[in-house]
Amino acid sequence: EPEVTQTPSHQVTQMGQEVILRCVPISNHLYFYWYRQILGQKVEFLVSFYNNEISEKSEIFDDQFSVERPDGSNFTLKIRSTKLEDSAMYFCASRVPGQAASGANVLTFGAGSRLTVL
Amino acid sequence: AQTVTQSQPEMSVQEAETVTLSCTYDTSENNYYLFWYKQPPSRQMILVIRQEAYKQQNATENRFSVNFQKAAKSFSLKISDSQLGDTAMYFCARKDNFNKFYFGSGTKLNVKP
Repeated sequence: EPEVTQTPSHQVTQMGQEVILRCVPISNHLYFYWYRQILGQKVEFLVSFYNNEISEKSEIFDDQFSVERPDGSNFTLKIRSTKLEDSAMYFCASRVPGQAASGANVLTFGAGSRLTVL
Repeated sequence: AQTVTQSQPEMSVQEAETVTLSCTYDTSENNYYLFWYKQPPSRQMILVIRQEAYKQQNATENRFSVNFQKAAKSFSLKISDSQLGDTAMYFCARKDNFNKFYFGSGTKLNVKP
């Protein structure tokens, strides 16, 4: 079964450092998402991406965050200057396009990247 | 507000028994999609079941079924014959007519032997 792959599985970084989290979505998926989950709390939407541009972002996704799809397969989340409160599990998700298709509205999630900011 | 509410932070059930997890949501849309995702301790979320709002028939997937009450904006998940492997965090989610998915805060389900 196709999977969404995320690397690294766990990253520890110092406050103020830049972090890049990588995701390889399922190959025929065209919508991409980043969510985060602070330990024990709800899953929070960060950003959605389609057709090589951000389609929607939350208030969490400020100027410190950016996303890109540099090579047609990877989908990356960059945090420019990490803060303690950025410590969380970051989930990448993807889905196929379209409204009517049976699989079009189902998000497939990766296993997550745990970010620890010290 | 486009919120999804799960009022039960944690629930327990004995193995082989039935448990129902509650979910309510808020929307002004007429057509949308609803989901239950399971997040086992390994932490990858996987789809359990989904429901299209325009379908009146409640979705079922083996031991998992939903009670979708559109007028009440309620979407509960029933797990029959609970198994130890059902122990996980369960998230209710709604997709709007555009591109956004809204998640509830989750219900931690403990299945006891």
